[in-house]
Amino acid sequence: DSGVTQTPKHLITATGQRVTLRCSPRSGDLSVYWYQQSLDQGLQFLIQYYNGEERAKGNILERFSAQQFPDLHSELNLSSLELGDSALYFCASSLAGDYNEQFFGPGTRLTVL
Amino acid sequence: KNEVEQSPQNLTAQEGEFITINCSYSVGISALHWLQQHPGGGIVSLFMLSSGKKKHGRLIATINIQEKHSSLHITASHPRDSAVYICAVRSGGSEKLVFGKGTKLTVNP
Repeated sequence: DSGVTQTPKHLITATGQRVTLRCSPRSGDLSVYWYQQSLDQGLQFLIQYYNGEERAKGNILERFSAQQFPDLHSELNLSSLELGDSALYFCASSLAGDYNEQFFGPGTRLTVL
Repeated sequence: KNEVEQSPQNLTAQEGEFITINCSYSVGISALHWLQQHPGGGIVSLFMLSSGKKKHGRLIATINIQEKHSSLHITASHPRDSAVYICAVRSGGSEKLVFGKGTKLTVNP
């Protein structure tokens, strides 16, 4: 158990809908990262937050947004969902800084029908 | 060309064999991670290294910064080592990880 929690574990929804994925980092970790893992693209970095502020942005679509709240939990919002958004979404957390190990949550499996 | 290349893509071994998985990268990095992803999907961080060698139980990770290459070794492999092993690099000055496509390891009893 990494100490990172993600909810829900599974999510099935329809095209055009909007969903929210939630992540709680390990106690004391200030950075939260979101990753998408699809069958054809592998693991891709989406976005990172550090202590409430956006720190780095990767291949995140405009239909996707994220935020980190004062209690450090984070939410990833996916809207106008398409079939291709079906994937595993992982959250990871780290203490901070360039040399800290990242700890991964169990992931949320999103299926868009 | 991907920034991070892993080889082999698939690897089948017999229990007890010595396993080597390779990772090459094309950018300057501040750290390299080895991750393990089990069939259920969960990801575990095995190592984070920026130089030299690290060992944890039967797992050994090495990195050669000059050659931009890292290896993950598993000694006395066991069926429970069956998983996908993923190499990821962090470019200098950035905290985002760039991932290899993974090596699927199957260890048969």
